[in-house]
Amino acid sequence: KAGVTQTPRYLIKTRGQQVTLSCSPISGHRSVSWYQQTPGQGLQFLFEYFSETQRNKGNFPGRFSGRQFSNSRSEMNVSTLELGDSALYLCASSLDENTEAFFGQGTRLTVV
Amino acid sequence: DQQVKQNSPSLSVQEGRISILNCDYTNSMFDYFLWYKKYPAEGPTFLISISSIKDKNEDGRFTVFLNKSAKHLSLHIVPSQPGDSAVYFCAARKGLTGGGNKLTFGTGTQLKVEL
Repeated sequence: KAGVTQTPRYLIKTRGQQVTLSCSPISGHRSVSWYQQTPGQGLQFLFEYFSETQRNKGNFPGRFSGRQFSNSRSEMNVSTLELGDSALYLCASSLDENTEAFFGQGTRLTVV
Repeated sequence: DQQVKQNSPSLSVQEGRISILNCDYTNSMFDYFLWYKKYPAEGPTFLISISSIKDKNEDGRFTVFLNKSAKHLSLHIVPSQPGDSAVYFCAARKGLTGGGNKLTFGTGTQLKVEL
């Protein structure tokens, strides 16, 4: 059974640009969540999508957005990139809200 | 406001001995707890979980204990192996009370298992 797949694995962007990250969940999983990991703030929840609807949202500015498609694949977008957005972005999928979340390898975003 | 705390940033244990990682939480709405293991530049790997209706869950070398009254949980690894060296994160969720899959993570404990 394939795991959670995130693309790309590495990305370098310039301040002010926008970026889109992609996540393909485990087959059959309907919940997809996104997290940001930085050395200073640790692992922080960005948002969760379930059956194409945003179910939860963390404390991040509106520059961070996401969506989920009918096949459960999800994308997150960050507009007007700032240096502080440099981080490891992790996607996790779950069958539903009462089961474990499995994480992808992450996308390392560097903003220069 | 750190709702999930791992007060030991690092732990060193000899191979074959028991590793005990601790986690405290403050939000009484949390009803499901998970432990993850993480290597640098990789995603967390799920290890074991426990629901608030239980006080112990075991899976092979890993056992998680939950003390609801103290808002404390611990992960025991027996016996510890060098391959267990990684950062361990405790996470909590309000799933059964409508919290969805939003996980609140602790700051992590770096476990080093020495030969």
